[in-house]
Order: sequence, then structure tokens, then C-alpha cells
Amino acid sequence: GQNIDQPTEMTATEGAIVQINCTYQTSGFNGLFWYQQHAGEAPTFLSYNVLDGLEEKGRFSSFLSRSKGYSYLLLKELQMKDSASYLCAVSPWTPGAGSYQLTFGKGTKLSVIP
Amino acid sequence: EAGVTQFPSHSVIEKGQTVTLRCDPISGHDNLYWYRRVMGKEIKFLLHFVKESKQDESGMPNNRFLAERTGGTYSTLKVQPAELEDSGVYFCASSQEVAGVGEQYFGPGTRLTVT
Repeated sequence: GQNIDQPTEMTATEGAIVQINCTYQTSGFNGLFWYQQHAGEAPTFLSYNVLDGLEEKGRFSSFLSRSKGYSYLLLKELQMKDSASYLCAVSPWTPGAGSYQLTFGKGTKLSVIP
Repeated sequence: EAGVTQFPSHSVIEKGQTVTLRCDPISGHDNLYWYRRVMGKEIKFLLHFVKESKQDESGMPNNRFLAERTGGTYSTLKVQPAELEDSGVYFCASSQEVAGVGEQYFGPGTRLTVT
């Protein structure tokens, strides 16, 4: 089966750094995605990791350890607009399946306070 | 470039009625996905089209759900007859990758309420 765990809620202060963790157990692995979703809006792509290590993109970084089934999203210099849900998703594609569906965690609701 | 659009944004229907949701993917994207988020749960995969063909419909909950993508452009998802447990937000996503995983672009979703 597929299982993705991430904290339900987190609170952080404007200007600070926050790390959102995600652990996963999936059959087959073809990459891990992080999406940001503001209330009532579409999830928007933040990052994609398929190899171990850190991917940096501006204020956002994402880390992956395939052997540990673990990823984190790091947000630096937090801004009020970063208040949103952050979704961890795995592509559990296996050879021959032909589909690249995503399996999502329940999301982490981040509140940035002044 | 226009993003993924979905119509309607909200729909309230009674149990036993029929509802049809529409998704217009980004132009040129052959891959189209339907997902659903039931309140309190995670977003779950329903099915995947490549052009007009159903590549994977393993997530469709039952035969009350029918998805089509005639001509390989927009897609519709029909629920007939609707049940209370069908309430949730239905997302559509599209991607360009023809082989291998790629970024999926999501629409804003259709919030379906069955009363």
C-alpha cells in the first residue's frame, strides 16, 4: 500500500525558517513532489526530487533520502503570504504501469504569524 | 498561457441527481488526471487520460463515475446517481511529459456538495 505522513499543522514566525517533514512508504518510487495550496485555490508546484540530496530554489529547498523514505521542505525568510497548506506527494510509478499518478499526504497547514 | 480551468467551481445537488464536471487542460498537454479530496482526507487519484485514452482508471470508486475525453482536449467527469459520500473537491491536473514523470498543473477544483 501507499502511505505518506506529514504533520497536520505548524506555526512559524515571519522572517524565520521552517522545516516541514514528510515520510513515505510506497510501492515503486519515481519522485517526490511538494505543492503549495492556498485555501480555495489550485495546488501549485514547488519542487521535485528524484535523487537523494537537496534541491534549492530561492527561499524554498527540498531534501530527499530514498533509503529512509524521507523528505523535507525548507522555507526561509518566511513571509505572511507563505501561510498555506503544503502537500507532499509521491509518484509511485512502477515499470509497465504507464501512469504517473500522484499519491498525496494530507498536507501540512502552515500559519505564519507576525 | 492559460492554466487548467474547471467548471463549475461549486455544485450543490441532491442525492440521486446527476452532475457533470468539466476540465480544460493546458493546451498541448496530452496527460490529464482527475483527483478528489474528501473532507478531512488526502487528495486521491481517480484516473489518468493520455490524449483520449484512459491510461489508468484504478482510482475510480465505482461505476457511478464516468469520465470521458473526446478528441483528447477537455474532459468531463459525470457522477450518476450522486450519493452523499461523493461530496468533496474534484481536481483536474494536466502535464506535458510523454514519458516519465513530470510536473502536474492543477486546476482550482470543483467543490461538489451532495445533500
